[in-house]
Amino acid sequence: QKEVEQDPGPLSVPEGAIVSLNCTYSNSAFQYFMWYRQYSRKGPELLMYTYSSGNKEDGRFTAQVDKSSKYISLFIRDSQPSDSATYLCAMSRGNTDKLIFGTGTRLQVFP
Amino acid sequence: EPEVTQTPSHQVTQMGQEVILRCVPISNHLYFYWYRQILGQKVEFLVSFYNNEISEKSEIFDDQFSVERPDGSNFTLKIRSTKLEDSAMYFCASSERDGTGELFFGEGSRLTVL
Repeated sequence: QKEVEQDPGPLSVPEGAIVSLNCTYSNSAFQYFMWYRQYSRKGPELLMYTYSSGNKEDGRFTAQVDKSSKYISLFIRDSQPSDSATYLCAMSRGNTDKLIFGTGTRLQVFP
Repeated sequence: EPEVTQTPSHQVTQMGQEVILRCVPISNHLYFYWYRQILGQKVEFLVSFYNNEISEKSEIFDDQFSVERPDGSNFTLKIRSTKLEDSAMYFCASSERDGTGELFFGEGSRLTVL
C-alpha cells in the first residue's frame, strides 16, 4: 500500500462548480497535512496547512482532515478557470520533517 | 512577499558532469530542503538541512549528491557525476524553525542530462 494515495484525475469541471479533491494515507504518525497547487513546470505553492484533525477555511478553499479514516480533502467553492492546476496533498510526522506527497490531481475548470 | 529563489532555471549537461544548483531560502528560515520531481511523477524528498548539517536524507541522496550552505544565505545541491536518470525538476524549500512547519518552495531548477 502506498503511503499517500491521490487520484491523478484529470478532473474537469465547469466554472462555478464545487470541487472536491481527496487523499488517503496509511501512516498514522502523520500529523501535519498540506495542500499545494502546482502550475505546469512551476514550484508547488502552499494553499492550505492543517495540523491534526479538523477543518480549516481560507476564502474559497476548505481543508478537512479525518485522522480516524486517514483521509484528507480540499474543497474549492466557486471554481475559476485560474484554479486549473495540479493539486498536491502532502503530509509529515513533525513540523520540520520531510513531506510525503501524493501524485497530484490535475484539475481543469472550463468557462 | 518573501520567496525562495533558485538558479539556474534550466541547466543542460552531459552525463558524468558535475552540476551545482543554487537556492536562496527565505531569510528568517532555518530549515532547508531539496526535493525533486521527475517529469510526470510525484515530488520526492531528497534531503533536509538544519544547523549546518544534514538532518535526514532519502535513499535517492547517495554519495553523488551533497549539500552545502557556504555563506549563510545560499544553499546548494551538488551532483558530482550526473546520470541520465538525474534529469528532473529540483526544488529547494525552506521553513521557519519554530513556526507552523509550513514549507515554501522555489520555482525549481530543471536539470536535463544528455
